[in-house]
Amino acid sequence: EPEVTQTPSHQVTQMGQEVILRCVPISNHLYFYWYRQILGQKVEFLVSFYNNEISEKSEIFDDQFSVERPDGSNFTLKIRSTKLEDSAMYFCASSGGLAETYEQYFGPGTRLTVT
Amino acid sequence: GNSVTQMEGPVTLSEEAFLTINCTYTATGYPSLFWYVQYPGEGLQLLLKATKADDKGSNKGFEATYRKETTSFHLEKGSVQVSDSAVYFCALRPNTGGFKTIFGAGTRLFVKA
Repeated sequence: EPEVTQTPSHQVTQMGQEVILRCVPISNHLYFYWYRQILGQKVEFLVSFYNNEISEKSEIFDDQFSVERPDGSNFTLKIRSTKLEDSAMYFCASSGGLAETYEQYFGPGTRLTVT
Repeated sequence: GNSVTQMEGPVTLSEEAFLTINCTYTATGYPSLFWYVQYPGEGLQLLLKATKADDKGSNKGFEATYRKETTSFHLEKGSVQVSDSAVYFCALRPNTGGFKTIFGAGTRLFVKA
């Protein structure tokens, strides 16, 4: 069964450093998403991406964040200057369509620890 | 706006007990509803879904029925196992605008042998 993959599984970085989290969505999907989950809290939407542009973003997704699809397979989330409060599990997801009936397939997550 | 409310945990049960985790939602239109499960140290896995009113989603002995009249999607299982210990998230995807999945706060389930 096709799956979404994410690398690395765990990233430790120092405050103020840039990090790039990588995702490989399911190959024929067109819609891509990032979510985050701060430890012990709910999963929160960050951003959705379609046709090489952001479709929707939450208030969490400020100027420190950016997303990119640099080639035909990868989808990345960049945090320019990490803060302690960016420590969380980051989930990538992809879906084959926009309608609410289309399932979003989630990756295993990248745990980001900012020290 | 769209939101999901689910019962607070943790829920602690003995093996073979009956499980109910309550979930209610607020949404415009007719969203699709989902239950996701997160096992310790792992990511989110889709457990089951329902896309229209009165649909019943089921998987691995779990089931939930989309009740429009009560805006609910309660998760049930007749006989839980220790291996069901996990965090369960109720979620919705609206059918009007937006592309995101909206999650509830999650309910942690502990099953004792």
